[in-house]
Amino acid sequence: AQSVTQLGSHVSVSEGALVLLRCNYSSSVPPYLFWYVQYPNQGLQLLLKYTSAATLVKGINGFEAEFKKSETSFHLTKPSAHMSDAAEYFCAVDTGRRALTFGSGTRLQVQP
Amino acid sequence: EAGVTQFPSHSVIEKGQTVTLRCDPISGHDNLYWYRRVMGKEIKFLLHFVKESKQDESGMPNNRFLAERTGGTYSTLKVQPAELEDSGVYFCASSYATGTVGDEQYFGPGTRLTVT
Repeated sequence: AQSVTQLGSHVSVSEGALVLLRCNYSSSVPPYLFWYVQYPNQGLQLLLKYTSAATLVKGINGFEAEFKKSETSFHLTKPSAHMSDAAEYFCAVDTGRRALTFGSGTRLQVQP
Repeated sequence: EAGVTQFPSHSVIEKGQTVTLRCDPISGHDNLYWYRRVMGKEIKFLLHFVKESKQDESGMPNNRFLAERTGGTYSTLKVQPAELEDSGVYFCASSYATGTVGDEQYFGPGTRLTVT
């Protein structure tokens, strides 16, 4: 069975600082990996996804993530945080069933 | 293009009552999913429809939950009778039937269910 671990339920950064949200997965088969973001009172929005085409994946709003098989990780980064990035971020994996398995989420706070 | 819509946005019911949640997927999306997030925990898969057929209902917690998708369009999720542990946010998602694993799932805003 697959699982997803997001380290840190809350992350706080200063505006302009690097954003790093961690995600580790376990899967017995090559996974498809996703990062979703949820802004207040909205649904989940796809930031980016890994489907084995390239290990470094670029998404919307300046976010990117790197798939590292040896570390079973798919950490999300952004070079410079904006106030508008404050939201909850979810890492998810699909191992072929199409049913996504989510991590517990990381709430990002951006300080002015 | 309209996104995935869910109704109601919030429902408060008493233990033992019945509640029906509705999801309207994006037009043309054959795949429809239900997920649930219990407070503070991860979002968990409940079930997956392909058109009107249940493709995977392995995540349904028990037989108090009944999901339908008549005609392959909108879906309903009924909880009868509701228990306190059913409280949480219920998300619906849909995706286009490309036949490719890893298709993007488009999520609705969720229905927040509170059972008192």
